[in-house]
Amino acid sequence: SQQGEEDPQALSIQEGENATMNCSYKTSINNLQWYRQNSGRGLVHLILIRSNEREKHSGRLRVTLDTSKKSSSLLITASRAADTASYFCATDAMPPGGYSTLTFGKGTMLLVSP
Amino acid sequence: DAGVIQSPRHEVTEMGQEVTLRCKPISGHNSLFWYRQTMMRGLELLIYFNNNVPIDDSGMPEDRFSAKMPNASFSTLKIQPSEPRDSAVYFCASSFGGTHEKLFFGSGTQLSVL
Repeated sequence: SQQGEEDPQALSIQEGENATMNCSYKTSINNLQWYRQNSGRGLVHLILIRSNEREKHSGRLRVTLDTSKKSSSLLITASRAADTASYFCATDAMPPGGYSTLTFGKGTMLLVSP
Repeated sequence: DAGVIQSPRHEVTEMGQEVTLRCKPISGHNSLFWYRQTMMRGLELLIYFNNNVPIDDSGMPEDRFSAKMPNASFSTLKIQPSEPRDSAVYFCASSFGGTHEKLFFGSGTQLSVL
């Protein structure tokens, strides 16, 4: 079953604008990760935020985590056409009686127009 | 480093045929994952190995699917017999340290079962 769910499913913006994507999840997590997937390619790891962290930055990326609301957001500032891709959140969690596993949401498709 | 290498990139086969997908993880990575991606179900974890040992295969759909990792540099995912509903993109990923943090994905195998 899907642990993380991204919102919105699709987002269309102009170059230079900021893009915000949200992820909600259901169970306690060890960490939450964001990945990017360009069309026809594999996923690329962007950033990881641990359950005891609230905010993290990497270049033009800013990730927040609210464990009380079980939600995370990914902000891409000053977007570029090259940022056009699908973005996935993935939660690292250990279900009761099970193994630690990384579960992906269905992604947000971002289109950045020149 | 060449990254995670998967072969073939595309596979078209007829229902009932055996399909073998191959993966070479990044050297030094000791965890290997097989994921399947479809529009309907998104990314699903099929199985993962740690130090060549299968740890969690609960995501393997049924007995028609099998995976092996005979050594640290090679893994296979076999489907026998294949069915049209197996059509998907199959990704292999690897990570360092036996964790689910920062997975490196291959470019995937696009499988079409006619």
